[in-house]
Amino acid sequence: AQKVTQAQTEISVVEKEDVTLDCVYETRDTTYYLFWYKQPPSGELVFLIRRNSFDEQNEISGRYSWNFQKSTSSFNFTITASQVVDSAVYFCALSEDFTGFQKLVFGTGTRLLVSP
Amino acid sequence: SQTIHQWPATLVQPVGSPLSLECTVEGTSNPNLYWYRQAAGRGLQLLFYSVGIGQISSEVPQNLSASRPQDRQFILSSKKLLLSDSGFYLCAWTPGGAGKMNTEAFFGQGTRLTVV
Repeated sequence: AQKVTQAQTEISVVEKEDVTLDCVYETRDTTYYLFWYKQPPSGELVFLIRRNSFDEQNEISGRYSWNFQKSTSSFNFTITASQVVDSAVYFCALSEDFTGFQKLVFGTGTRLLVSP
Repeated sequence: SQTIHQWPATLVQPVGSPLSLECTVEGTSNPNLYWYRQAAGRGLQLLFYSVGIGQISSEVPQNLSASRPQDRQFILSSKKLLLSDSGFYLCAWTPGGAGKMNTEAFFGQGTRLTVV
């Protein structure tokens, strides 16, 4: 069975600090997809990134970067120079290569609080 | 562009009362539709998905049901609510068709249901 673990329940940082959100996953499939979503106080989930299991290249998008390591089954998310607007709950999710529909298995989320 | 509407935003219902949450998608056809629930302090759990009109699959046994009367309409229902049905309900869609199910999912703004 698939499982996603986000061990950090809540992280508090001061603006401009760097912060890393951890994500560890379990799956028996060789083809799978990993996602990060942001949930601001308004509630909707905002897509941040998708990575498939064959692409281990790290990715950087502005202040955001992602480190995918299959050897440790981890897909960690780093925010550089955090800002107050980064305060949200962040979810890591896993989807296996089913046909016909997507079944996202989510972690329990990490609440990030960035104070001025 | 595609948009997803979900209503109501908040709902307080007594135990034993019926429930109807509605979700509609605009700007796309034949989407895959999903209902997720986020219980307090937990991640999101997939409840139902649908790959077409009248086609509903349930992921977990529960007190809820879903229907898809039109291509872009997805309804979550209950005949008699339980206290344990309280939570944050999110509707989502992904593009339909082979090979597209593991793109990003687009989420509605959610309905916060409190059963009292």
